[in-house]
Amino acid sequence: AQSVSQHNHHVILSEAASLELGCNYSYGGTVNLFWYVQYPGQHLQLLLKYFSGDPLVKGIKGFEAEFIKSKFSFNLRKPSVQWSDTAEYFCAVRRMDSSYKLIFGSGTRLLVRP
Amino acid sequence: DGGITQSPKYLFRKEGQNVTLSCEQNLNHDAMYWYRQDPGQGLRLIYYSQIVNDFQKGDIAEGYSVSREKKESFPLTVTSAQKNPTAFYLCASSLGASGFDSGANVLTFGAGSRLTVL
Repeated sequence: AQSVSQHNHHVILSEAASLELGCNYSYGGTVNLFWYVQYPGQHLQLLLKYFSGDPLVKGIKGFEAEFIKSKFSFNLRKPSVQWSDTAEYFCAVRRMDSSYKLIFGSGTRLLVRP
Repeated sequence: DGGITQSPKYLFRKEGQNVTLSCEQNLNHDAMYWYRQDPGQGLRLIYYSQIVNDFQKGDIAEGYSVSREKKESFPLTVTSAQKNPTAFYLCASSLGASGFDSGANVLTFGAGSRLTVL
């Protein structure tokens, strides 16, 4: 069965620190990749997405992610976090086959200390 | 403003009772989804619908039922057969459930409904 793994469940950083959240998936075929974010008290919203082309994608609020096909990874990065980045981050993968199901990882809770 | 409305926001239920969670969207999206969010487990797909009068089981459909009689509405019923129904339920929609169009694959989420079984 397809799975999406986010190895860091809780991350605590100080402001201005760099961030990298890991995401690995197990499906070998064509995929679409997403990072969603849930700020405290708010809806889940799209942070960035990869469909094809340049494997380095940029999203909102200075976030970026790199798709490394050989490693089945789509890690999220930000060079300098802010207190307002405190949120829960979810990686998601859609298999581009007959199922078209969107599978989410277990999420990473990020706390940024001022 | 276009969006997804879920109701109620909080719901308490006694064991053995069925309960229906409402999800309405005015985005003119074809596809709608129900996910369950539990701490440390991410979002798990319960049911999804690509078009009116059609829906498919997700990964954890047992104990749940849905209907899609109108494009705008996708209610979820949590039945007494669901062994562990206490959870946070999220409804989402997208332009379409299939295809390579970028818009078809991006989900818009509602605010969620928190169900507690007493």
